[in-house]
Formats: sequence, structure tokens, C-alpha cells
Amino acid sequence: NAGVTQTPKFQVLKTGQSMTLQCAQDMNHEYMSWYRQDPGMGLRLIHYSVGAGITDQGEVPNGYNVSRSTTEDFPLRLLSAAPSQTSVYFCASSPDRFQPQHFGDGTRLSIL
Amino acid sequence: RKEVEQDPGPFNVPEGATVAFNCTYSNSASQSFFWYRQDCRKEPKLLMSVYSSGNEDGRFTAQLNRASQYISLLIRDSKLSDSATYLCVVNPSSGTYKYIFGTGTRLKVLA
Repeated sequence: NAGVTQTPKFQVLKTGQSMTLQCAQDMNHEYMSWYRQDPGMGLRLIHYSVGAGITDQGEVPNGYNVSRSTTEDFPLRLLSAAPSQTSVYFCASSPDRFQPQHFGDGTRLSIL
Repeated sequence: RKEVEQDPGPFNVPEGATVAFNCTYSNSASQSFFWYRQDCRKEPKLLMSVYSSGNEDGRFTAQLNRASQYISLLIRDSKLSDSATYLCVVNPSSGTYKYIFGTGTRLKVLA
């Protein structure tokens, strides 16, 4: 079982560039979310989705966009990369809000 | 007050020791609770869900105290491989869909 798949695993960007972090799950989970984790810090929610076509902001949404056109995919777009967005990004999914989330293995992003 | 609070540690314990972590939560309407472990620079992995009656999985025991609004994790016979950060997670209560993560408790098991 693939579970939650994130691509790429590593990425280096220059300030001002845009890019999309991909997240796909094959478990037919309705709930998906994006977190960032800075060194020595906890997870912070960026955006989440409770189903196809439905997204909402988390606690640190600025500079990021999401869309959910299918149940399987939940891409995260950086509009204009800034050094402050250097972080590890995790995507997670769960069947509903009562079940535990399953995490992808993360994307390590550096903005120069 | 933070929605979910954990002692950051680190807890340094010898191999074979028993260690316990607590996690307090502020929203009394919270309905589901989980413990995850996270190794350095890796993704969080589910350790166990926490049920109202308490539950055990091998050397790990989780308890929920709704009256005092905390959950606990007990690790018996600690192994070197238990060294990690343990995250407490509380599910969103009615009307919101945001899982609330604690910042984690670091455990280091010493040989």
C-alpha cells in the first residue's frame, strides 16, 4: 500500500520562484491537510480539506494556496517563495475527523 | 492557555526504565486522542489511539482522564529504539476540522 505519497522529497528554490508540492493518497480518505515543521518546532497547520472541492485555512496559510479537485490529490502551491518558507512540509490524510491521520514522509524545502 | 500542552523534556532514562508523559488539553468537547512518535526529521507515525477505558499495546499504555482533561502515555521496559519525540494529538471538536498537535516530549533512552 502506498498510503500518502509526497513529491518531491527535496527541493531548493530561489526567492520569488513558485512551485507545487504534490500529495496523493490511495486510501479514499476524505480529510487531508498540509503542515509545516520548522527545526525544533511543532507542526503548524497550513491548509486542510474535508473533501473534494472543499478547502479551508489553517493557522499559517499566508503565501500558500491549495485546491482539491479529486479525493486523491491535495497539492500545495507556493506563490512566491520566501526564505521564511524554508521548512519540512508534511501532508496527512484520515478517513474522517475522528480517525488518526496518516502522514507522508515529507518534502524538505529550502528557499535561498 | 495552549489548546494542547506537553512537557518538552527531554526525559533521559536508562534502558529498562518506565517513563510516563502527560498531555493536557483545554477543550472539554474534544472527542478523540492519539499519541504519535516522531524521529528526527521524519514524519510523525501513529503510536496508538487513546480510548476512554484506557488501552495497552505491548509495552505502551495510554490513559484518558476527561475530568482533569489530560491523556497519558506510559512506556515500560524502555528500549534504545524508543528514543524519539512523542506527540499528543487531539481531534477537533464539533464545528472544526483541525487536529491539534502538542509540541512534543523528547525521550532519550540511555544505554
